[in-house]
Amino acid sequence: KAGVTQTPRYLIKTRGQQVTLSCSPISGHRSVSWYQQTPGQGLQFLFEYFSETQRNKGNFPGRFSGRQFSNSRSEMNVSTLELGDSALYLCASSLAAENIQYFGAGTRLSVL
Amino acid sequence: GNSVTQMEGPVTLSEEAFLTINCTYTATGYPSLFWYVQYPGEGLQLLLKATKADDKGSNKGFEATYRKETTSFHLEKGSVQVSDSAVYFCALSGRTGGGNKLTFGTGTQLKVEL
Repeated sequence: KAGVTQTPRYLIKTRGQQVTLSCSPISGHRSVSWYQQTPGQGLQFLFEYFSETQRNKGNFPGRFSGRQFSNSRSEMNVSTLELGDSALYLCASSLAAENIQYFGAGTRLSVL
Repeated sequence: GNSVTQMEGPVTLSEEAFLTINCTYTATGYPSLFWYVQYPGEGLQLLLKATKADDKGSNKGFEATYRKETTSFHLEKGSVQVSDSAVYFCALSGRTGGGNKLTFGTGTQLKVEL
């Protein structure tokens, strides 16, 4: 069974631009969560989607948004990029009935 | 709110040494507890889990026991190998509002030398 797939693996953007990251969950998983990992703040929860609905949200500004499609694939969008948005963005998927989350390899975003 | 505290790293050990990485948590209710491992340039891999008090999670020689009385979930391995060098994260899932949100500790870097 294929794991969680995140694309692209690396991105370089400049301040003020926007970016969209993609996540394909493990087949059959309906919950997708997003996390930001930085050296200073560690791993922080962004949001979770289940059956195309945002079920949980972390403490991030409105520039961070996401969505989930009917096939459970998810995208997250960051608008008006800031230098501090440079991070590894991790996606995780889980079955509806259990809370074990399986992570992708991440997308490393660099904002210049 | 929920929080996880784990010991500061880096931890440097010789091969075949005994490993302990301390983890304590604060949470309402009865969270599930996890250890994840991250190798350089990769995402997180689930190492082991425990879902209720006194459960012992184990995998690849690593063990951790859910201790509700001390709110702890310490990771142990009897004999580490160079291939165990990685960053280890303790985490909890509290089922907040029906969702699956993981709260992580800051991570502990382990370096194993020959």
